Amino acid sequence: AQKITQTQPGMFVQEKEAVTLDCTYDTSDQSYGLFWYKQPSSGEMIFLIYQGSYDEQNATEGRYSLNFQKARKSANLVISASQLGDSAMYFCAMRPSGGSYIPTFGRGTSLIVHP
Amino acid sequence: GAGVSQSPSNKVTEKGKDVELRCDPISGHTALYWYRQRLGQGLEFLIYFQGNSAPDKSGLPSDRFSAERTGESVSTLTIQRTQQEDSAVYLCASSDRRGSQTQYFGPGTRLLVL
Repeated sequence: AQKITQTQPGMFVQEKEAVTLDCTYDTSDQSYGLFWYKQPSSGEMIFLIYQGSYDEQNATEGRYSLNFQKARKSANLVISASQLGDSAMYFCAMRPSGGSYIPTFGRGTSLIVHP
Repeated sequence: GAGVSQSPSNKVTEKGKDVELRCDPISGHTALYWYRQRLGQGLEFLIYFQGNSAPDKSGLPSDRFSAERTGESVSTLTIQRTQQEDSAVYLCASSDRRGSQTQYFGPGTRLLVL
């Protein structure tokens, strides 16, 4: 069974500052993928970044980077130079790389960016 | 090209009625997922279609829930005898292959059962 834990129900950050959103996971799978999605108030889920469990380098996509610490089973999302448009819900998810391919999502973190 | 579309965008129904939700995936995407998102919660997996393989129905919460997909095209999620606890946003996502990293989500159907 897989489990995703996001311990921060809400986070606040000043515009242009960096912010880290926490995600820890639990799985018995040897090969898996970790994902972050953004959900603005409009409701659509937007894919942000992906990290494979065997990837040695941390994933980066523009202002997003994933701080992957496999031994600690954590996959924190770092957003650099926050913008007002980053205000949204952020979901961490994981999925086995074989077998069922069924993803498990965390409960989300609400991020508010202050001007 | 067009993204994933879902209809209706909003649905209000009375307890006990049946509802049908529709998802149009991105053309050519073989994988299709349905999720439920209750207010303030994360996504709850419901069902997964991959090409012409038998769907993975392991997430369906009860036998009132069913879904169909013909080939690699439109999918419909049907909820029979709706209950108030079925009120949620129902999200559909598609991806271009079984192990694809990226799922593309539709805008969701907001279901309210009175």
